[in-house]
Parts: sequence; structure tokens; C-alpha cells
Amino acid sequence: EVQLVQSGAEVKKPGESLRISCKGSGYIFTNYWITWVRQMPGKGLEWMGRIDPTDSDTNYSPSFQGHVTMSTDKSISTAYLQWRSLKASDTAVYYCARHSYREEGAYHMDVWGKGTTVTVSS
Amino acid sequence: DIVMTQSPLSLPVTPGEPASISCRSSQSLLNTNGYTYLHWFLQKPGRSPQLLIYLGSYRASGVPDRFSGSGSATDFTLKISRVEAEDVGVYFCMQNLQTPWTFGQGTKVEIK
Repeated sequence: EVQLVQSGAEVKKPGESLRISCKGSGYIFTNYWITWVRQMPGKGLEWMGRIDPTDSDTNYSPSFQGHVTMSTDKSISTAYLQWRSLKASDTAVYYCARHSYREEGAYHMDVWGKGTTVTVSS
Repeated sequence: DIVMTQSPLSLPVTPGEPASISCRSSQSLLNTNGYTYLHWFLQKPGRSPQLLIYLGSYRASGVPDRFSGSGSATDFTLKISRVEAEDVGVYFCMQNLQTPWTFGQGTKVEIK
């Protein structure tokens, strides 16, 4: 079964750093991009960016560029999303999703993780 | 950025009746390869989003055939032929033709 298993909920203070993870299983990790999507409390979905685990090539949304860093460790089929200095406005649920790209007839996010809830509060 | 506009934002439905959601994009989502880079997701209450329709009209694996996607260029529709109670949740359209990829605001479907 194809799965993306995300790390557990986090409670942090403003200014602290954080790294959350997303582990893929049941498929060849390097055959798909990993995308990250934010959902603030009671709000819609926002695309943060995507990373190619093959070579760590990234494409960030301008809204998130410079504030988060995406990375992967393909040896353990895991993607990461990290912050150096959290703000209260980073409070949200963060989803990772697998994105196909190798075939023209498949260019979409087809499998999602359950999400990691990040709460930033003093 | 490509702006995605959904309507309605709230849709009360009766089980067994059809339902439809509209999504409009501020630019054409038709790629030069002939595919339309528009997708539909459903987020059931308390759950992560799930893929329903990809590339405009292709039903994702395991999605019931009462769901269908249609449209072209900038106007798209998700149709449910006969709504079931399990279809409640928020439906989002999304484009990934151009970065930043963008989502519609979401349409909340509830049972009357």
C-alpha cells in the first residue's frame, strides 16, 4: 500500500526552529515529487512548494520562499519541511503529497499524508 | 498568479439528487501537450484531502463513477450524479500548470 506517514503534532514557541517529516512507503520514492501544502485553521489549501527527491531540486511558492526549507533523504525515503524561526502565523496543518510527473498523462498529487499540526504560541 | 474561483462556496444537497460545482481559472489551464492541468480534491471532515479527478476529467483510482469532471481552458465543473451522505466535505479545485500552483477557495457540501 502506498503511504505517506507524517511526523506527529508539534507545539513550539515563536523564534524556535522545527523540522517535520514525511516518509514514503509502498513505491519508489525517487519516482515522484513531494509537495507541501499548508492549511491554516479553518482555511483553505495553499501550495508551499515541491521537491524532487532524485536531485533535491526545489520549486517554492514566493509566499514561502526564504521562510521554509524543503529537503529529502532518499536513502530513507523521507522528505522534510523545516523552519529556522517560527512565527505564530505558522500555526497550521501541513500536508505532504506525492506528485507524479514522469508521464504526460499523470501530473497530479495522488497520495496525501494525514498532516502534521504545528502550533506556535508563546 | 493564476486565480481559481469556485462557486458556490456552500452547497446544501439532498441524497440521491445531482450536484455540481464550478471552478474558473484566470488563465487557460490547457498545456501544449493537450492536457488540462486542473484537478479536484475532496477533504472530508477531519481528514486530509483526497484526489477525485485529475487533468480535468480523469477519475482517480477508487473514486466512484458518480463523480465526473468536465470543462476546458478556463471553465470547469465537478458533477456528482447522485449525492450520497459520505460525499459531504469541502471540494477544492487546483491548477498546477503554472507556479505557484493555486487552489480554489473550496466548496462546502452539506446534506440538507
